[in-house]
Amino acid sequence: GENVEQHPSTLSVQEGDSAVIKCTYSDSASNYFPWYKQELGKRPQLIIDIRSNVGEKKDQRIAVTLNKTAKHFSLHITETQPEDSAVYFCAASTNTGGFKTIFGAGTRLFVKA
Amino acid sequence: IAGITQAPTSQILAAGRRMTLRCTQDMRHNAMYWYRQDLGLGLRLIHYSNTAGTTGKGEVPDGYSVSRANTDDFPLTLASAVPSQTSVYFCASSQRGSGDTGELFFGEGSRLTVL
Repeated sequence: GENVEQHPSTLSVQEGDSAVIKCTYSDSASNYFPWYKQELGKRPQLIIDIRSNVGEKKDQRIAVTLNKTAKHFSLHITETQPEDSAVYFCAASTNTGGFKTIFGAGTRLFVKA
Repeated sequence: IAGITQAPTSQILAAGRRMTLRCTQDMRHNAMYWYRQDLGLGLRLIHYSNTAGTTGKGEVPDGYSVSRANTDDFPLTLASAVPSQTSVYFCASSQRGSGDTGELFFGEGSRLTVL
């Protein structure tokens, strides 16, 4: 089945700096790669996603890149702000054998003011 | 619009007891999922259902069972709880197939402690 690895597990940056989180996946049939943000005590919520027919997608300060050949994808947050502090999860989704979304272990991001 | 509702919010349970976590959605999504969240391990898929009447095993299905009698409800049952099932459980739903955005909508979570 699908396996998603995520790094780093913890990331601390100064406000205004950029943050990059990287993920790899194992199932070449995966075709949808979402990123979720989970604030303390809250439910995970989708912040951006990318499909396998696209290499890069940007939404204001957030961008995702996908390299299908290497089976890795990344989240880039520019001009970080204290409210970006949260746990971020990458995920890979496949329709093979049923609709399943498999998550990485998460990255706890601290943005220091 | 409630979206997706889980109950109970929190529960302390003695080992060996049976427990059912309830999940209801009002978005008419065809797919539903149960995840458990443990520190350092992220969200792990327990069971899923692509449509009413069907279910499938996820990454960590042992010790859990689910049913999907209708579109809206997807209960998760622990037949005989063990301490390793102490976790935060999230139910989620999505619309797959036609109109598929892929996005998962999560409930607020159920914190379960097994002593």
